Amino acid sequence: DSGVTQTPKHLITATGQRVTLRCSPRSGDLSVYWYQQSLDQGLQFLIQYYNGEERAKGNILERFSAQQFPDLHSELNLSSLELGDSALYFCASSADRGAGETQYFGPGTRLLVL
Amino acid sequence: AQKITQTQPGMFVQEKEAVTLDCTYDTSDPSYGLFWYKQPSSGEMIFLIYQGSYDQQNATEGRYSLNFQKARKSANLVISASQLGDSAMYFCAMRDTSFFNKFYFGSGTKLNVKP
Repeated sequence: DSGVTQTPKHLITATGQRVTLRCSPRSGDLSVYWYQQSLDQGLQFLIQYYNGEERAKGNILERFSAQQFPDLHSELNLSSLELGDSALYFCASSADRGAGETQYFGPGTRLLVL
Repeated sequence: AQKITQTQPGMFVQEKEAVTLDCTYDTSDPSYGLFWYKQPSSGEMIFLIYQGSYDQQNATEGRYSLNFQKARKSANLVISASQLGDSAMYFCAMRDTSFFNKFYFGSGTKLNVKP
């Protein structure tokens, strides 16, 4: 158990809908990262938050948004969903004190858009 | 330029044999960390091993060791005495101090352990 929690584990929805994925980082970690992994693909970095502020953006679509709350949990909002958004979405957390800090992953949310 | 390169999309190894998964990296930062993760078919990403750029010794964690060759910028993962449960996707990653300690992931190597 990495200490990073994600809910829900599975999500099935229809095209055009909106969903929210939730992540709680490990105790003491200030950074939260979101990744998307499509079937048999590598990890695509979406966005990073550090202590409530957006720090880095990757290949995140405009239909997607995220935020990190004062208690450090984070939510990833996906709207106007398309079939191609079906993927495994990971949240990861890190203390981010330097280059040696490990990133720990949550179990992921499997999103299926029908 | 690619920060992390894994040139083996797939590999096979016989059970109980050792296997090396290749990883090369690119950074001009003197301070960086190298990481390996395992992703079994169940999907979770499991942290395996870490090597710091200033570490003199190769990192080891049980049957996993990291063959760190700084001059060649390589960080190969060695799995000794392979087990069937080692069949998984393996990702190499690096973070340096640029861009707020950003993480860079390789494309992964799929390892199949044959009985």
